[in-house]
Parts: sequence; C-alpha cells; structure tokens
Amino acid sequence: QQQVKQSPQSLIVQKGGISIINCAYENTAFDYFPWYQQFPGKGPALLIAIRPDVSEKKEGRFTISFNKSAKQFSLHIMDSQPGDSATYFCAASIRGGYALNFGKGTSLLVTP
Amino acid sequence: DGGITQSPKYLFRKEGQNVTLSCEQNLNHDAMYWYRQDPGQGLRLIYYSQIVNDFQKGDIAEGYSVSREKKESFPLTVTSAQKNPTAFYLCASSINEGGSGYTFGSGTRLTVV
Repeated sequence: QQQVKQSPQSLIVQKGGISIINCAYENTAFDYFPWYQQFPGKGPALLIAIRPDVSEKKEGRFTISFNKSAKQFSLHIMDSQPGDSATYFCAASIRGGYALNFGKGTSLLVTP
Repeated sequence: DGGITQSPKYLFRKEGQNVTLSCEQNLNHDAMYWYRQDPGQGLRLIYYSQIVNDFQKGDIAEGYSVSREKKESFPLTVTSAQKNPTAFYLCASSINEGGSGYTFGSGTRLTVV
C-alpha cells in the first residue's frame, strides 16, 4: 500500500521552464515531507523538506508548496536546467517514527 | 569525510545462494535502514534498526535478514527465500527519529544470474 502517491511518473521540460511534481498522502500523522534527488547509479540526496506548520519553503530554484487541508504537497523547480535531469522522490514520515515512506518517483528530463 | 559506504557496488548471485551486502557509516548515527529500489516502484523499506542489537521489519522483509552488532555496521543478507532479489539496494542512516537527517549510501546493484 503506497502511503504517498506521486505524479507524474515522467516529465519533460525545456531549459528555463518550470518543473512541477505533485504528491498526495492520506495519513494525517505525517509531519515531515522531504524531497530527494537521485542521479543514475547513486543514492538519493535530500533536496528540500517542509513541516506542515508552513505552506511554502523556498531554497534557491526549488520550492515546496504544502496544502495541509488537501493533504498534498508539490515541488517546483524554477528555471529548470539540464543538470536537474534526475529522478525525484517525495516522502513522508510520522512524528517519532523512523521510516520514510517514499513515492514511486518522477523521472525528470530537462532538454537544452 | 563522513558518510555511508556500501559494498560491493555490483554483485552477482546464483539462484539458491545467500549473499550479504555491506553497509558501514562513520556519522555516529543511531538509526540505520535498508531500502530496495525497483524501476517505477520507489524505495521500499526492508529493515531498520534504531539501536545496536535491535531491528524491526519493514514492508518487504520476507527473504531478507539483518544484524546490528556494531553501531557503524548494518549488513543485509539476501537469502535464497527471496524469489526476486534482482534490484538496487540502498542503505541509509539517521541521527534520530522523525525521518529527518537521512543520509544514503551509493547503493549495491544485485543481479541474479
């Protein structure tokens, strides 16, 4: 049972465009929502994360938007670059819990 | 240079054999994790350990076993009972609970031949 549902599965964006990846969850006990970036053959690396007490968090070209009532959160990559081409995973965890529950991932390709 | 070291990077196993994947961390993290990654499936939790000599099953523990005899080490054994072991295996660690502060290793790709 996938606790975090991620879409789209794949995404193609032109250089300079905005990449948007969406995630939804059902468990209201989740209170930590990170996004990970993974390049082929490598482990995922934390990109940006948010807690439900804020609706938006921005770090450079990356922004998380969080909608607590809709139980949805999204990653926006502004001015997308070919170097952003990677697989992106959203995840969620419960306060006091240890495991991260991951979405199935989005393969992003940024074309020149 | 702190981090997580997984070895080997590539591993080939004959059907019916057990194989052990190594994971070592020098981050002084208490918690360690094993995830399995398959194309289009995301990361699925196999086992995790909060402290030495203690571990819990994740969502897909069948056919796998772990040990946590030292804080720095959390090896994963893929047994012959795992019917579809070909996958990319990722080890991670975190300093505490709550999901934050995860650090991942570079993974081991296991192929059954």
